[in-house]
Amino acid sequence: DVKVTQSSRYLVKRTGEKVFLECVQDMDHENMFWYRQDPGLGLRLIYFSYDVKMKEKGDIPEGYSVSREKKERFSLILESASTNQTSMYLCASSLSSGLGSMDQPQHFGDGTRLSIL
Amino acid sequence: GQQVMQIPQYQHVQEGEDFTTYCNSSTTLSNIQWYKQRPGGHPVFLIQLVKSGEVKKQKRLTFQFGEAKKNSSLHITATQTTDVGTYFCAATTSGTYKYIFGTGTRLKVLA
Repeated sequence: DVKVTQSSRYLVKRTGEKVFLECVQDMDHENMFWYRQDPGLGLRLIYFSYDVKMKEKGDIPEGYSVSREKKERFSLILESASTNQTSMYLCASSLSSGLGSMDQPQHFGDGTRLSIL
Repeated sequence: GQQVMQIPQYQHVQEGEDFTTYCNSSTTLSNIQWYKQRPGGHPVFLIQLVKSGEVKKQKRLTFQFGEAKKNSSLHITATQTTDVGTYFCAATTSGTYKYIFGTGTRLKVLA
């Protein structure tokens, strides 16, 4: 069974801090995603990656960056945390049936609830 | 930007009643996936639809993809308390290589 593990379930940080959210998947999936989930807004894509060292901006990349140095790990970085980045962050991964293809189920981690004070 | 509208936002039903959630797009979709998120949990994949007019069933759940591939629906027959959660659609369009999620429909089932 696919396991997507996010490093923290809950995290509290201060405004201006650099924040790292880590995600690891154990199924050799090519595609990895970072979403944030806010009430009434559903899941919004921040960044995704379809291969090691490859990254693509999603719909709301401002204030975030990502790193994918190894296939199994996808990190989300908040360069200088702000209160409007308080949210639930979800990582997901999926198999690729071809480079950049996104036609396979996404498997989600349990999420990190991040509070910025 | 591209949007996928999902309605209704909330639905309360009595146990045993039917439930339907709809996703609509102004652009033609390549495929659409449906996910269920239980309270306090993470989204879990239910099904994927690819073909125009496609209908798939999973026990009491029926998924449909519109003929024009611009809309989709999830119908639950005779809801049970275990159906409680938020149902999301997620769609891709040709060449975008990313999923756009609907805002979700939160279902409450009253026993």
